Amino acid sequence: RKEVEQDPGPFNVPEGATVAFNCTYSNSASQSFFWYRQDCRKEPKLLMSVYSSGNEDGRFTAQLNRASQYISLLIRDSKLSDSATYLCVVTVNNAGNMLTFGGGTRLMVKP
Amino acid sequence: EAGVAQSPRYKIIEKRQSVAFWCNPISGHATLYWYQQILGQGPKLLIQFQNNGVVDDSQLPKDRFSAERLKGVDSTLKIQPAKLEDSAVYLCASSLVVREKLFFGSGTQLSVL
Repeated sequence: RKEVEQDPGPFNVPEGATVAFNCTYSNSASQSFFWYRQDCRKEPKLLMSVYSSGNEDGRFTAQLNRASQYISLLIRDSKLSDSATYLCVVTVNNAGNMLTFGGGTRLMVKP
Repeated sequence: EAGVAQSPRYKIIEKRQSVAFWCNPISGHATLYWYQQILGQGPKLLIQFQNNGVVDDSQLPKDRFSAERLKGVDSTLKIQPAKLEDSAVYLCASSLVVREKLFFGSGTQLSVL
């Protein structure tokens, strides 16, 4: 089992739709969780951190489910500009030092 | 504030040749990472430095890859000799402290022919 797993997609959604991605992790001791966005041929950029209580930033909501060991990202009112690959990042070693990326989920928002 | 600087932006070499990449992190960031991203995959951590010490290099192919961060600031990643499967984007990232959010450079796209 991979340490951090994501559905590669692509998720094809119309503008205005709500879409959600999950990311599962294998190490129950993981402490830090993030969502990054990566546009084609660009470097990853931080979208948002994921806190235990869940957090929201505009149209984006991130949640953590420790019992089932997954994090989620919800995007409401999708825009064409949301088309990108979304990468989850989790600390995976017992010391909590190693930030490991999932394989990414590709989102394509269509007019 | 200046971001993470990387060079070169692109590099094309033949297999068995050597190549080196350079990274200058954001000023004051103690933690520096080198990731390898193969097309269609997520970034894979190669090595992580805390100041000038190695925190984790468990996924670095040490028979051909080496990295250093001598003064706790700039870092270089070297591949010697390169193989076809080393073709990828090499991303450098830094963070203020361990486990905090990463800031990435633009990456070096390596093509091994």
